[in-house]
Amino acid sequence: KAGVTQTPRYLIKTRGQQVTLSCSPISGHRSVSWYQQTPGQGLQFLFEYFSETQRNKGNFPGRFSGRQFSNSRSEMNVSTLELGDSALYLCASSWAGATNEKLFFGSGTQLSVL
Amino acid sequence: AQKVTQAQTEISVVEKEDVTLDCVYETRDTTYYLFWYKQPPSGELVFLIRRNSFDEQNEISGRYSWNFQKSTSSFNFTITASQVVDSAVYFCALSVSGGYNKLIFGAGTRLAVHP
Repeated sequence: KAGVTQTPRYLIKTRGQQVTLSCSPISGHRSVSWYQQTPGQGLQFLFEYFSETQRNKGNFPGRFSGRQFSNSRSEMNVSTLELGDSALYLCASSWAGATNEKLFFGSGTQLSVL
Repeated sequence: AQKVTQAQTEISVVEKEDVTLDCVYETRDTTYYLFWYKQPPSGELVFLIRRNSFDEQNEISGRYSWNFQKSTSSFNFTITASQVVDSAVYFCALSVSGGYNKLIFGAGTRLAVHP
């Protein structure tokens, strides 16, 4: 069974640009969540999607957005990039997004903003 | 508000030593779940264990064991006879009801096991 797939693996952008990251969950998983990992702030929850609906959102500015498609694949978008957006962005999937479910993580997209 | 504290930033041990990673959590919810994840250099977090707030039974899985104590709000992780392959960053995390996969992570503990 294929794991969670994130593309691209690495990305370099300049300030002011926008970026779209992609995540394909494990087959059958309908919940996809996104996390940002930085050396300073650690791992922080961005948002969670289930059946194309955002059910929870972390404390991030509106420049961070996401969506989920009918096949459960998800994308997240960051507009007007800032230097502080440089981070490892991790996607995780689970069956239904229940509180007690274990998450399966992808290897992440390393975003560098210059 | 919920919070997870992993006070140990880095731990360095020699192979075959036992090592304990500490985790202290804060929450006012009565129903919650605690997790440990391992992050190897490849980047993906790998699930190790899950515990709910009503089950304080300790668990052992091979060389790994976990000690959950509600009285001290701690969920510590012990690796017995550590191996070089255990080198990674270990995260403790908390989720509460209605969180929809929102995990509150600790800062992580980087474990280096030397031959």
